[in-house]
Amino acid sequence: AQTVTQSQPEMSVQEAETVTLSCTYDTSENNYYLFWYKQPPSRQMILVIRQEAYKQQNATENRFSVNFQKAAKSFSLKISDSQLGDTAMYFCAFMSYNAGNMLTFGGGTRLMVKP
Amino acid sequence: GAGVSQSPSNKVTEKGKDVELRCDPISGHTALYWYRQRLGQGLEFLIYFQGNSAPDKSGLPSDRFSAERTGESVSTLTIQRTQQEDSAVYLCASSPGQPNQPQHFGDGTRLSIL
Repeated sequence: AQTVTQSQPEMSVQEAETVTLSCTYDTSENNYYLFWYKQPPSRQMILVIRQEAYKQQNATENRFSVNFQKAAKSFSLKISDSQLGDTAMYFCAFMSYNAGNMLTFGGGTRLMVKP
Repeated sequence: GAGVSQSPSNKVTEKGKDVELRCDPISGHTALYWYRQRLGQGLEFLIYFQGNSAPDKSGLPSDRFSAERTGESVSTLTIQRTQQEDSAVYLCASSPGQPNQPQHFGDGTRLSIL
């Protein structure tokens, strides 16, 4: 079974600065996907960014980028130029390529962006 | 529809009652997932459907929980004889079914057991 660990329950950052959220996972598989989801108070889970494990290049989506270290089983999210709207819970998630595509989530990091 | 729709948005019921939660996935999505999110925690996988069949029911916490899907569309999650520990947000997601395609989530049903 896979496990996903987010070691930072809460973080804060000043508006316009950069913050990095940590995520580690454990798996014996070689083919899988990793995701970061954002959950604002509205409850909806919003996909922020995803990474295919077979790709060495780190994924980037505008102000969001990841640092994927496959050997270390680490998948951190960097948010640049933080905005007030980035305030939310952030969840790291793992999906096996071969196991029905359900997501295994970490416990989440609550991010507060301060003006 | 434009997105995954769940109903009701909120449900309050007494301990011991049965509840039904509904999920309308995005049209054409063959895969449908149910997750549970307890207060302040991450999401726990409950069950998933590929078409109308459920290959993996391993996440269902007890035999009080069941789910079905009909017409490769709507799904219903039923909790019988509810207990206080069932209080949580129940989230549904759908996807086209391919591994490289992300899951799209609904807004969830907040279930409160008195």
